[in-house]
This record gives sequence, structure tokens and C-alpha cells, in this order.
Amino acid sequence: GNSVTQMEGPVTLSEEAFLTINCTYTATGYPSLFWYVQYPGEGLQLLLKATKADDKGSNKGFEATYRKETTSFHLEKGSVQVSDSAVYFCALSGYSGYALNFGKGTSLLVTP
Amino acid sequence: NAGVTQTPKFQVLKTGQSMTLQCAQDMNHEYMSWYRQDPGMGLRLIHYSVGAGITDQGEVPNGYNVSRSTTEDFPLRLLSAAPSQTSVYFCASSWAHEQFFGPGTRLTVL
Repeated sequence: GNSVTQMEGPVTLSEEAFLTINCTYTATGYPSLFWYVQYPGEGLQLLLKATKADDKGSNKGFEATYRKETTSFHLEKGSVQVSDSAVYFCALSGYSGYALNFGKGTSLLVTP
Repeated sequence: NAGVTQTPKFQVLKTGQSMTLQCAQDMNHEYMSWYRQDPGMGLRLIHYSVGAGITDQGEVPNGYNVSRSTTEDFPLRLLSAAPSQTSVYFCASSWAHEQFFGPGTRLTVL
């Protein structure tokens, strides 16, 4: 079945540091891939997505590239800010192509 | 445009009680789903619906019922609450593979 594995946190970085959160997946067919972000006390918000191999999703300085050959969708940002502190979830389209399979989430804390 | 709304925001139940978590969306999305979020587990799919009158089970359906009589509403029923159902519950609607999440219901079962 479909599954998502992402690096465990918490990840603690200083402001302006480079961020990588690893995500790999197992899936049949050609799923769409997503990164969601959850700020404290809130629901999940879509951060970026990619719907086919070699697509690059980007938003708010975050990027991730759909790598079919390595079944990966790693999240990167060149310079993190304190406001980026949140939990990040990698996900893929699973059930009937709509509901998602989520990774366990990676908590990011950015310190001034 | 309210998006996806959930009520209540918080709820405490005793073991064996029943209750319904409400979810509504005003975006006319056909697809809706319920997830639970537990520490270290990510989000797990409970039930989903591809349209009014059609529902199906997700990864962790036991102990929960759903129905979809209208496009807008997708309530989740706990028939006999158990401590293992203590969790944060998120409802979502979907369009073009993007999921729109509600703010969540934090449920505690004593």
C-alpha cells in the first residue's frame, strides 16, 4: 500500500539557516505529492504540491522536487525565519486519488 | 466564504457516551474526509465520501460512523466513546487533489 516516511524531529535551526526535511514515499501508480504545514493550535494548510515526476513545487521560499527515481520529495528553504516554526507533513494522494496518506510530521523550531 | 467549519472545538466525554462531530463546507466540493491526529502518528484517515450518499472506510474506521446526506455536511459519529479515541479530529474537503482542512475538534474521552 501507499506510505510516506519523513525524517523525525524536532529540528532546531537558527534564523537564516538552510532547511532540509527529507520525505520518501512508496506508492502504486503516479501519486501527487504535497507538503502541508501546521502552525500551533491550527489546522493544516497546503504549502506546496507537485503532480508529476520532475515537477517542482514552491511557495513562500520553500521548494520540493518530485523525484520518481529516488521516490523522494524533500522540502528545502534557503533561509528560515522564526515564523517558519511549525510542524511539516509530507503527503501523497492515496485513497481514490483524493484523501491523503500522511507522514508522521516533522516539528521545526527556528530560534532568533 | 467560511471554507470548512467544525463544531465543537473542544469536547470531553465519558467512556461509553456517544456524540457527533459536525463538519460543513461551503465550497461545493464533492469529496470530504475525516482524519484523526495523534502525537507521533501524523494524520490517519477515518472515513471519506466522494459525494452525497457515498461513503467509504479509511485506515482507522472502527468505532466511527459517517453519513453524507448533502454535499455540504459530513458528520462523524462516535457510537460508544473509548479512551483510545482521545485525539484531534480534522475534517477536510477536496478539489483538484488539494485538501482544505477545518480547524479541528479536540476530543478527550475519560
